[in-house]
Amino acid sequence: DSGVTQTPKHLITATGQRVTLRCSPRSGDLSVYWYQQSLDQGLQFLIQYYNGEERAKGNILERFSAQQFPDLHSELNLSSLELGDSALYFCASSVTGLGETQYFGPGTRLLVL
Amino acid sequence: AQSVTQLDSHVSVSEGTPVLLRCNYSSSYSPSLFWYVQHPNKGLQLLLKYTSAATLVKGINGFEAEFKKSETSFHLTKPSAHMSDAAEYFCVVSEGNTGNQFYFGTGTSLTVIP
Repeated sequence: DSGVTQTPKHLITATGQRVTLRCSPRSGDLSVYWYQQSLDQGLQFLIQYYNGEERAKGNILERFSAQQFPDLHSELNLSSLELGDSALYFCASSVTGLGETQYFGPGTRLLVL
Repeated sequence: AQSVTQLDSHVSVSEGTPVLLRCNYSSSYSPSLFWYVQHPNKGLQLLLKYTSAATLVKGINGFEAEFKKSETSFHLTKPSAHMSDAAEYFCVVSEGNTGNQFYFGTGTSLTVIP
């Protein structure tokens, strides 16, 4: 158990809908990362937050957004969902967000029908 | 720019035989290098990391990796494979303390034959 929690574990929704994925980092970690893992694209970095501020952006679509709250939990919002958004979404956390070890949550499996 | 190449997408070994998973990296800075393992339907678990101390890094479950700067490699090895080692393995490079992004390899799927 990494200490990073993600909810929900599974999510099934329809095209065009909007969903919110939630992540709680390890105690003491200030930085949160979001990743998407799919069969065709592999593991892709989406976005990173540090202490409430966006720090780095990867291959995140404009339909996706994220935020980190004062209690350091983070939410990833996916809107206007398409079939191709079906994937495993991971959250990870680290202490400072400066290239050190990231600890991964168990993931949220999203299925868009 | 940082990048990682995992040279084998699939590796198959017999139980009790050595494991070698190959990784080459490209980095403009002194990199930090990691190996993560992902068991089916699970999150990623850190196996080991290199951060410019000893070049031979020991990790969990008997795995180790050697950082070779001249070859820009960070291959993962284990002397004797166990059935429970069957999983997906990811090599990762980061810019170390000058940066914050992780760059993942495409993964190597390890099969262990009984």
